[in-house]
Amino acid sequence: GAVVSQHPSRVICKSGTSVKIECRSLDFQATTMFWYRQFPKQSLMLMATSNEGSKATYEQGVEKDKFLINHASLTLSTLTVTSAHPEDSSFYICSAANGLAGVETQYFGPGTRLLVL
Amino acid sequence: GESVGLHLPTLSVQEGDNSIINCAYSNSASDYFIWYKQESGKGPQFIIDIRSNMDKRQGQRVTVLLNKTVKHLSLQIAATQPGDSAVYFCAENISGGYQKVTFGTGTKLQVIP
Repeated sequence: GAVVSQHPSRVICKSGTSVKIECRSLDFQATTMFWYRQFPKQSLMLMATSNEGSKATYEQGVEKDKFLINHASLTLSTLTVTSAHPEDSSFYICSAANGLAGVETQYFGPGTRLLVL
Repeated sequence: GESVGLHLPTLSVQEGDNSIINCAYSNSASDYFIWYKQESGKGPQFIIDIRSNMDKRQGQRVTVLLNKTVKHLSLQIAATQPGDSAVYFCAENISGGYQKVTFGTGTKLQVIP
């Protein structure tokens, strides 16, 4: 399957700072990328869907001004957690899909563990 | 459906036995279903998928069964191995329009050597 990377794999930051997480599709052009959040022992919850060159679509309850998403190219999407607080500590996972294979075929990144102190 | 609570259902299976992991999905309009395997600290890994016009699909050592009448999905793993130990999620999707995959609660599979 296709390869999706995330950077960093884990990050620790102080409360109030902003953190940027990168998601890259390494061997295909991702027209759509998804960002998920996963708390311990829970399922993946979709935060937002981003299409290259357009604004992201956020799920209900997800603050778009707090979780900034940029999908500037077909291989890169970034999620910025602004003014992070301890309750934002979670495992953030991205996935990528290309229109040719259908959006259902999502390739997941390895995840980024965020710890806010 | 959405995940609730802090405790994943756990299935313990002896190595070499068959495993059956069940999932109830919520949306009768869903027409595409996927099983994912997630190892600790990693992203989900695609295992097998099935469309609503089928009720069974087989892969290597895995079989997915779909019962649309009761909105139930199952994953069967034959000859379970220690490397199968992980959390398994079913996911549902509605083709067309605004497409998103909704993950189920998850089941932790523990393989006893």
